[in-house]
Amino acid sequence: EVQLVESGGVVVQPGGSLRLSCAASGFTFDDYTMHWVRQAPGKGLEWVSLISWDGGSTYYADSVKGRFTISRDNSKNSLYLQMNSLRTEDTALYYCAKGDGYNTHFDYWGQGTLVTVSS
Amino acid sequence: DIQLTQSPSFLSASVGDRVTITCRASQGISSYLAWYQQKPGKAPKLLIYAASTLQSGVPSRFSGSGSGTEFTLTISSLQPEDFATYYCQQLNSYPPTFGQGTRLEIK
Repeated sequence: EVQLVESGGVVVQPGGSLRLSCAASGFTFDDYTMHWVRQAPGKGLEWVSLISWDGGSTYYADSVKGRFTISRDNSKNSLYLQMNSLRTEDTALYYCAKGDGYNTHFDYWGQGTLVTVSS
Repeated sequence: DIQLTQSPSFLSASVGDRVTITCRASQGISSYLAWYQQKPGKAPKLLIYAASTLQSGVPSRFSGSGSGTEFTLTISSLQPEDFATYYCQQLNSYPPTFGQGTRLEIK
């Protein structure tokens, strides 16, 4: 059974930093592209970032480019999101999502970890 | 970026009804469209990918169709557990984008 478990969400002040983690199990982690997707309270889904199976390619939404860094450790079956220079508009539930083999959709999602940016 | 517009944004229906949700893309995306269901407090769940392929384990009352710029999600006979918010998503080109969502509520 595929499982994705996010952690690291907390309350942080504007301008602060935070690192989210996602522990994966139930599939061959280093075969798949992985994504972060976020959802602000009461709002829709917004894709944030992706990383290729080997970490060699990364991509970011314009809203987080230059502030967030995605990474992975295939030896630990783990995905990360380093979030710097946080803004109030980054407040959201952050989901880790597994890309399908053809990288056209997200076939499994974690339960999310809540990041609140507030003074 | 490719914009996806869902209609309607809100839908009220009864158990047993047939409902259709439309997703329109701002440019052609071939068949690279997926549909997700999200219930309150839960993560999104993949229902359909490649516009019309049912994800394993998803009931057959769900179906998808379309290509290019216009797509539909149809639920043939609404069940109580189907009342949720539905999102379309494209990954024909980066960045991946989602529709704004369609909230399906019980009449």
